[in-house]
Amino acid sequence: SQQGEEDPQALSIQEGENATMNCSYKTSINNLQWYRQNSGRGLVHLILIRSNEREKHSGRLRVTLDTSKKSSSLLITASRAADTASYFCATDASGNTGKLIFGQGTTLQVKP
Amino acid sequence: DAGITQSPRHKVTETGTPVTLRCHQTENHRYMYWYRQDPGHGLRLIHYSYGVKDTDKGEVSDGYSVSRSKTEDFLLTLESATSSQTSVYFCAISDPGGFGEQYFGPGTRLTVT
Repeated sequence: SQQGEEDPQALSIQEGENATMNCSYKTSINNLQWYRQNSGRGLVHLILIRSNEREKHSGRLRVTLDTSKKSSSLLITASRAADTASYFCATDASGNTGKLIFGQGTTLQVKP
Repeated sequence: DAGITQSPRHKVTETGTPVTLRCHQTENHRYMYWYRQDPGHGLRLIHYSYGVKDTDKGEVSDGYSVSRSKTEDFLLTLESATSSQTSVYFCAISDPGGFGEQYFGPGTRLTVT
Protein backbone atom coordinates (compact mmCIF):
# COMPACT_ATOMS: atom_id res chain seq x y z
CA SER A 1 0.00 0.00 0.00
CA GLN A 2 1.23 3.46 -0.79
CA GLN A 3 1.78 5.82 2.09
CA GLY A 4 2.10 8.95 0.02
CA GLU A 5 -0.22 10.28 -2.58
CA GLU A 6 0.99 13.09 -4.76
CA ASP A 7 -0.88 15.79 -6.48
CA PRO A 8 -0.88 16.68 -9.28
CA GLN A 9 0.28 13.60 -11.17
CA ALA A 10 1.57 15.82 -13.95
CA LEU A 11 2.45 19.50 -14.16
CA SER A 12 3.54 21.58 -17.13
CA ILE A 13 4.82 25.13 -16.67
CA GLN A 14 6.95 27.74 -18.42
CA GLU A 15 10.52 28.41 -17.46
CA GLY A 16 10.68 31.02 -14.70
CA GLU A 17 7.38 30.04 -13.14
CA ASN A 18 7.05 28.36 -9.77
CA ALA A 19 6.06 24.71 -9.43
CA THR A 20 4.19 23.34 -6.44
CA MET A 21 3.72 19.65 -5.73
CA ASN A 22 1.77 18.18 -2.85
CA CYS A 23 2.08 14.95 -0.91
CA SER A 24 -0.35 13.44 1.55
CA TYR A 25 0.35 10.48 3.79
CA LYS A 26 -1.56 8.28 6.19
CA THR A 27 0.44 7.43 9.30
CA SER A 28 2.68 9.21 11.77
CA ILE A 29 6.16 9.77 10.42
CA ASN A 30 9.70 10.41 11.58
CA ASN A 31 10.56 12.43 8.53
CA LEU A 32 9.46 13.12 4.99
CA GLN A 33 11.82 13.28 2.05
CA TRP A 34 11.64 14.50 -1.52
CA TYR A 35 13.50 12.91 -4.40
CA ARG A 36 13.95 13.78 -8.06
CA GLN A 37 14.24 11.29 -10.89
CA ASN A 38 15.39 12.27 -14.34
CA SER A 39 14.21 10.05 -17.14
CA GLY A 40 16.00 6.72 -17.14
CA ARG A 41 18.03 7.49 -14.04
CA GLY A 42 18.03 6.63 -10.35
CA LEU A 43 16.44 8.84 -7.73
CA VAL A 44 18.36 11.72 -6.24
CA HIS A 45 17.70 12.93 -2.72
CA LEU A 46 16.63 16.60 -2.59
CA ILE A 47 15.59 17.48 0.91
CA LEU A 48 14.51 15.92 4.19
CA ILE A 49 12.17 17.49 6.71
CA ARG A 50 11.74 16.05 10.17
CA SER A 51 8.38 15.64 11.84
CA ASN A 52 9.10 18.49 14.27
CA GLU A 53 9.97 20.92 11.46
CA ARG A 54 7.44 22.98 9.54
CA GLU A 55 9.49 24.45 6.72
CA LYS A 56 12.85 23.89 5.14
CA HIS A 57 14.76 25.56 2.33
CA SER A 58 17.49 24.39 0.01
CA GLY A 59 18.43 26.72 -2.82
CA ARG A 60 15.32 27.15 -4.98
CA LEU A 61 13.45 24.44 -3.08
CA ARG A 62 11.06 25.05 -0.23
CA VAL A 63 9.37 22.21 1.60
CA THR A 64 6.59 22.55 4.11
CA LEU A 65 5.20 19.91 6.42
CA ASP A 66 1.85 19.95 8.19
CA THR A 67 1.67 16.92 10.45
CA SER A 68 -1.86 17.77 11.58
CA LYS A 69 -3.04 17.44 7.99
CA LYS A 70 -0.51 14.73 7.15
CA SER A 71 0.64 16.66 4.12
CA SER A 72 3.72 18.24 2.61
CA SER A 73 4.42 20.48 -0.31
CA LEU A 74 7.48 21.03 -2.47
CA LEU A 75 7.88 24.42 -4.12
CA ILE A 76 10.44 24.96 -6.84
CA THR A 77 10.90 28.65 -7.52
CA ALA A 78 12.03 30.20 -10.79
CA SER A 79 11.94 26.86 -12.56
CA ARG A 80 14.37 25.93 -15.30
CA ALA A 81 14.16 23.46 -18.15
CA ALA A 82 16.68 21.34 -16.24
CA ASP A 83 14.09 20.88 -13.47
CA THR A 84 12.07 18.69 -15.83
CA ALA A 85 11.85 15.37 -13.97
CA SER A 86 9.61 13.27 -11.77
CA TYR A 87 9.43 14.20 -8.11
CA PHE A 88 8.61 11.75 -5.35
CA CYS A 89 7.81 12.17 -1.71
CA ALA A 90 8.81 9.41 0.68
CA THR A 91 7.90 8.94 4.29
CA ASP A 92 9.92 7.30 7.02
CA ALA A 93 7.67 5.82 9.68
CA SER A 94 9.92 2.93 10.48
CA GLY A 95 11.73 3.83 13.62
CA ASN A 96 15.30 2.73 13.03
CA THR A 97 15.19 0.65 9.85
CA GLY A 98 15.18 3.56 7.46
CA LYS A 99 12.45 2.01 5.38
CA LEU A 100 10.78 4.54 3.12
CA ILE A 101 7.39 4.44 1.49
CA PHE A 102 7.21 6.35 -1.75
CA GLY A 103 4.37 8.15 -3.40
CA GLN A 104 3.63 7.67 -7.07
CA GLY A 105 5.28 10.90 -8.06
CA THR A 106 4.57 14.11 -9.92
CA THR A 107 5.94 14.51 -13.42
CA LEU A 108 7.08 18.07 -13.99
CA GLN A 109 7.72 19.50 -17.43
CA VAL A 110 9.32 22.92 -17.65
CA LYS A 111 9.06 24.43 -21.11
CA PRO A 112 11.84 26.75 -22.24
CA ASP B 1 25.64 8.06 -8.03
CA ALA B 2 27.24 7.90 -4.56
CA GLY B 3 29.42 4.84 -5.18
CA ILE B 4 26.60 2.46 -6.05
CA THR B 5 26.65 0.22 -9.09
CA GLN B 6 24.12 -2.27 -10.32
CA SER B 7 24.67 -5.16 -12.66
CA PRO B 8 23.50 -6.00 -15.15
CA ARG B 9 21.96 -2.73 -16.32
CA HIS B 10 19.67 -4.45 -18.77
CA LYS B 11 18.53 -8.04 -18.96
CA VAL B 12 16.02 -9.99 -20.99
CA THR B 13 15.16 -13.43 -19.71
CA GLU B 14 12.55 -16.09 -20.22
CA THR B 15 9.75 -17.06 -17.88
CA GLY B 16 10.86 -19.70 -15.40
CA THR B 17 14.55 -18.92 -15.43
CA PRO B 18 16.44 -17.78 -12.33
CA VAL B 19 17.83 -14.26 -12.35
CA THR B 20 20.24 -12.56 -9.96
CA LEU B 21 20.76 -8.83 -9.80
CA ARG B 22 23.73 -7.37 -8.01
CA CYS B 23 24.13 -4.15 -6.09
CA HIS B 24 27.61 -3.05 -5.10
CA GLN B 25 28.48 -0.08 -2.91
CA THR B 26 31.77 1.52 -1.97
CA GLU B 27 30.35 3.74 0.80
CA ASN B 28 30.44 1.13 3.60
CA HIS B 29 26.82 1.98 4.44
CA ARG B 30 25.04 -0.45 6.68
CA TYR B 31 21.57 -0.36 5.13
CA MET B 32 20.79 -1.54 1.63
CA TYR B 33 17.43 -1.76 -0.16
CA TRP B 34 15.93 -3.25 -3.27
CA TYR B 35 12.97 -1.51 -4.93
CA ARG B 36 11.00 -2.09 -8.06
CA GLN B 37 9.49 0.74 -10.06
CA ASP B 38 6.43 0.26 -12.22
CA PRO B 39 4.16 2.78 -13.92
CA GLY B 40 1.33 3.77 -11.63
CA HIS B 41 2.98 2.27 -8.54
CA GLY B 42 5.96 4.45 -7.83
CA LEU B 43 8.74 2.64 -5.99
CA ARG B 44 7.92 -0.34 -3.86
CA LEU B 45 10.30 -1.96 -1.40
CA ILE B 46 11.11 -5.61 -2.08
CA HIS B 47 13.68 -6.47 0.59
CA TYR B 48 16.17 -4.62 2.68
CA SER B 49 19.26 -5.37 4.72
CA TYR B 50 20.44 -3.81 7.94
CA GLY B 51 23.78 -5.60 8.06
CA VAL B 52 25.70 -8.59 6.78
CA LYS B 53 23.36 -11.58 6.76
CA ASP B 54 20.58 -9.45 8.25
CA THR B 55 17.69 -9.02 5.85
CA ASP B 56 13.96 -8.49 6.02
CA LYS B 57 10.98 -8.37 3.72
CA GLY B 58 9.45 -5.30 2.24
CA GLU B 59 6.07 -4.59 0.71
CA VAL B 60 6.36 -6.83 -2.38
CA SER B 61 8.73 -9.65 -1.42
CA ASP B 62 6.85 -12.64 -2.88
CA GLY B 63 8.92 -14.34 -5.59
CA TYR B 64 12.16 -12.63 -4.52
CA SER B 65 15.00 -13.58 -2.20
CA VAL B 66 18.08 -11.66 -1.15
CA SER B 67 21.48 -12.30 0.29
CA ARG B 68 24.17 -10.15 1.81
CA SER B 69 27.41 -11.92 2.61
CA LYS B 70 29.55 -8.77 2.50
CA THR B 71 28.86 -5.17 3.47
CA GLU B 72 29.35 -4.00 -0.08
CA ASP B 73 27.17 -6.48 -1.95
CA PHE B 74 23.41 -7.06 -1.87
CA LEU B 75 22.00 -9.63 -4.26
CA LEU B 76 18.40 -9.91 -5.41
CA THR B 77 17.32 -13.26 -6.84
CA LEU B 78 14.21 -14.11 -8.78
CA GLU B 79 14.07 -17.87 -8.31
CA SER B 80 11.75 -18.44 -11.27
CA ALA B 81 11.09 -15.25 -13.20
CA THR B 82 7.55 -14.38 -14.23
CA SER B 83 6.26 -11.73 -16.63
CA SER B 84 4.87 -9.77 -13.66
CA GLN B 85 8.44 -9.24 -12.52
CA THR B 86 9.24 -7.21 -15.62
CA SER B 87 10.24 -3.92 -14.06
CA VAL B 88 13.03 -1.51 -13.32
CA TYR B 89 14.91 -2.49 -10.17
CA PHE B 90 16.73 0.03 -8.02
CA CYS B 91 19.17 -0.53 -5.23
CA ALA B 92 19.62 2.09 -2.53
CA ILE B 93 21.84 2.57 0.48
CA SER B 94 21.64 4.64 3.61
CA ASP B 95 23.76 5.36 6.61
CA PRO B 96 22.04 4.94 9.98
CA GLY B 97 24.38 7.63 11.28
CA GLY B 98 22.73 10.07 8.89
CA PHE B 99 19.19 11.36 8.86
CA GLY B 100 17.71 8.62 6.71
CA GLU B 101 18.26 9.89 3.20
CA GLN B 102 18.82 7.13 0.66
CA TYR B 103 21.21 7.07 -2.27
CA PHE B 104 20.17 5.20 -5.35
CA GLY B 105 21.94 3.19 -7.98
CA PRO B 106 21.30 3.65 -11.71
CA GLY B 107 18.78 0.82 -11.96
CA THR B 108 18.44 -2.47 -13.81
CA ARG B 109 15.80 -2.86 -16.49
CA LEU B 110 14.56 -6.46 -16.45
CA THR B 111 12.27 -7.88 -19.09
CA VAL B 112 10.78 -11.33 -18.62
CA THR B 113 9.37 -12.76 -21.84
